[in-house]
Amino acid sequence: RKEVEQDPGPFNVPEGATVAFNCTYSNSASQSFFWYRQDCRKEPKLLMSVYSSGNEDGRFTAQLNRASQYISLLIRDSKLSDSATYLCVVDQTGANNLFFGTGTRLTVIP
Amino acid sequence: AAGVIQSPRHLIKEKRETATLKCYPIPRHDTVYWYQQGPGQDPQFLISFYEKMQSDKGSIPDRFSAQQFSDYHSELNMSSLELGDSALYFCASSLRGALSYEQYFGPGTRLTVT
Repeated sequence: RKEVEQDPGPFNVPEGATVAFNCTYSNSASQSFFWYRQDCRKEPKLLMSVYSSGNEDGRFTAQLNRASQYISLLIRDSKLSDSATYLCVVDQTGANNLFFGTGTRLTVIP
Repeated sequence: AAGVIQSPRHLIKEKRETATLKCYPIPRHDTVYWYQQGPGQDPQFLISFYEKMQSDKGSIPDRFSAQQFSDYHSELNMSSLELGDSALYFCASSLRGALSYEQYFGPGTRLTVT
């Protein structure tokens, strides 16, 4: 079982739609949580850190549920430029070694 | 803003050859991480350095070694290359003590072993 699990998708949504991704992690002692986006053959880019209280950055909202060990990302008013693979990333050890989910592929359709 | 710099961006080597990948972290970042991403796979942590000392070790093969220098740049040395070493190698950097230890990735080095 992978340490971080995501639905690989693909998610194909029209422009303007709201889409949500979920992710579960195995280690209850995990310290830090992040969402990264990765475009094809490019480096992962930090989208946002995920805090216990939940946090929002423009059209993006991240939530953390420690009791259930899952993390979510909500994207509102999807843009064509949001098309990418979204990686759920967890620091399970506190040593800042990141464990990546396999990613969820999003395609926003005109 | 300055980002993580990696060189070379592309590298082609033959089996059993050696390769050296370089990483220059974001200025003032003190921690460097190396990741390997195979085709269709998620990045896998290899090794990290903090203040020039090895901080943690992941799935790095014994054929690979790495170090961080006094100017904080890091090099990943790979010997006896195998076909399976063909992958994207990312370096990331962070500032220890910063909120959430956010890691910022370089553009990667694409290694092809033939």
